[in-house]
Parts: sequence; structure tokens; C-alpha cells
Amino acid sequence: GNSVTQMEGPVTLSEEAFLTINCTYTATGYPSLFWYVQYPGEGLQLLLKATKADDKGSNKGFEATYRKETTSFHLEKGSVQVSDSAVYFCALIPNDYKLSFGAGTTVTVRA
Amino acid sequence: EAEVAQSPRYKITEKSQAVAFWCDPISGHATLYWYRQILGQGPELLVQFQDESVVDDSQLPKDRFSAERLKGVDSTLKIQPAELGDSAMYLCASSLSSAGVYEQYFGPGTRLTVT
Repeated sequence: GNSVTQMEGPVTLSEEAFLTINCTYTATGYPSLFWYVQYPGEGLQLLLKATKADDKGSNKGFEATYRKETTSFHLEKGSVQVSDSAVYFCALIPNDYKLSFGAGTTVTVRA
Repeated sequence: EAEVAQSPRYKITEKSQAVAFWCDPISGHATLYWYRQILGQGPELLVQFQDESVVDDSQLPKDRFSAERLKGVDSTLKIQPAELGDSAMYLCASSLSSAGVYEQYFGPGTRLTVT
């Protein structure tokens, strides 16, 4: 079946630190991959996406590269801010177009 | 910017009572989704509508949950009777279509607590 495994949290960082959240997936065919972010008290927002191998999604200083050979889509940001504190979800849409989420990683950035 | 609206934002109910949630998708979005998000987990699809028709309710506990989208616009999700294990965030999302990879836009959710 289709599944997403992402790094367990919580992750606590200082401002301006480097952030990496690991995400690997299992899927048939060639899924599209996503990172969603959920700020406190809000719904999920699409952060970035990649639809084919070697694509790089980027937004708000975050980046993730679709690595088919390692079935991974790790999220990175070079210098985090307090406002990046949120829960981050890795997700995929496989051939049946059903969105599947990982369990989420809680990130807290301290000033 | 258009948003998905949900109400209420918070609901506390006693077990065995009935509860209902409402969702108004982005105008023009044909596909509407209801997800359940248990604390510490990712959202899981409960039901998916294409216009007014249910296209996937395989994960909906049909003995107590029901969902409708009568005119193909807004939607209601109902639980009757509520159980303690139903405590969760209920998220509504919409997209232009389900026949392809279309971005899903999420509402703020309804947090349900069953006591």
C-alpha cells in the first residue's frame, strides 16, 4: 500500500539554526509529494510540492527534493525563525489520487 | 483569498449525544473531503464527494457517521451517537477536482471533545 514515514518529533531549535525533517514514502507508480504545515490553531496549508523525480519544491525558504532512488522527500530550511514553529506533514498522492499523510513532526523554534 | 469555512471551531459533547459539523468549500470546487485528525497523527480521509455524490466513504464508520452534500456545495458531517474515541479534529478540504493531482485547501477544522 501507500504510506509516508516521517521523522518523529518534537524538534526544538534555536533561531537561525538549520532544520531538516526526514520523509520517506512507499507507493506504487510515481506519486506526487507534498509538505503541509499546520500553524497553531489553524488548518493545514500547502507548503511545497514536487510532482516528478528530481523536482525541487521551494517556498518561504523551505526546500525539498523528490528523490526516487531513495524514495525520500526531506524538508530543509537553512535558517529558521520563531514564526516557523508549527507541525509539518509529509504527504503523497499516488495513482489513485488519494492524499496520504505522515504522522507529522512538531517543530518549536526558540528565540 | 477564498477560504474553506468550517463551524463550529470547537465542540464539547457528552457521549451518546448527536453532533454535526458544517463545511463551506471554496466556490467552484467540485470535490470536498472530510478528514479526521487524531492528536499526534496525520489526517485520515473519512469521506470524499464529487459534486453531490459520494465517491469514497470506505473509512467512514457508517453505523454512527453520516455525511451529505445535498446541492453539491456545502456539506454536513454528523455523528450519532458520539463515543469517547471520536474526540479529534475534523478537517474539511476542497479541490477543483479529484481526477488528477489538484491542491487540496483545508479549513481551520472543528475540534471535538467527547466527555
